[in-house]
Amino acid sequence: KNQVEQSPQSLIILEGKNCTLQCNYTVSPFSNLRWYKQDTGRGPVSLTIMTFSENTKSNGRYTATLDADTKQSSLHITASQLSDSASYICVARYGNNRLAFGKGNQVVVIP
Amino acid sequence: NAGVTQTPKFQVLKTGQSMTLQCAQDMNHNSMYWYRQDPGMGLRLIYYSASEGTTDKGEVPNGYNVSRLNKREFSLRLESAAPSQTSVYFCASSYRDRGRIEGNQPQHFGDGTRLSIL
Repeated sequence: KNQVEQSPQSLIILEGKNCTLQCNYTVSPFSNLRWYKQDTGRGPVSLTIMTFSENTKSNGRYTATLDADTKQSSLHITASQLSDSASYICVARYGNNRLAFGKGNQVVVIP
Repeated sequence: NAGVTQTPKFQVLKTGQSMTLQCAQDMNHNSMYWYRQDPGMGLRLIYYSASEGTTDKGEVPNGYNVSRLNKREFSLRLESAAPSQTSVYFCASSYRDRGRIEGNQPQHFGDGTRLSIL
């Protein structure tokens, strides 16, 4: 079944600390994987995209990795800020332009 | 530059009532989408329109209809609302280059319509 699983479902971290979010996908044939950030009450916004040939990509304090062999991706947040409190959604593109959405990682940053 | 605009932001309906959710984008995107987002579930595609004049069913189309009015606007209609359709509805758009799979283009989302059906 073409699906995306994210873990942990939710986490609470102290401001200034780092955290890593995990995404496992089972889609085929794989095209690319994108991470979105969704603030409370807003729509998702794209953070970064990972294609088959890419291992790591950074966008400011966000760093995404992709291991196409194990079908895993991670999103690392460095030196977290209160504004990082959000849901992070992993989306895998596969086949004829189809998308599989994860349920999201809910991150709460506390001062 | 407004991006993707959805109206209304909130709506409460009674079972059996009908309504249309509006969506407009000003980015000259070819493709537009309607999703629903429910607690504990990922975004689920209801309908999409790859280009003006075409619409296709997504994962959960039952109980909904859509209209691609022009390149900018894509509406979602609930003909007879049911409590199971209580959800947050998101409209999105993306650029689709002619002759190429849009695969690397992100979807741009509106801020959603929060719909409650009693």
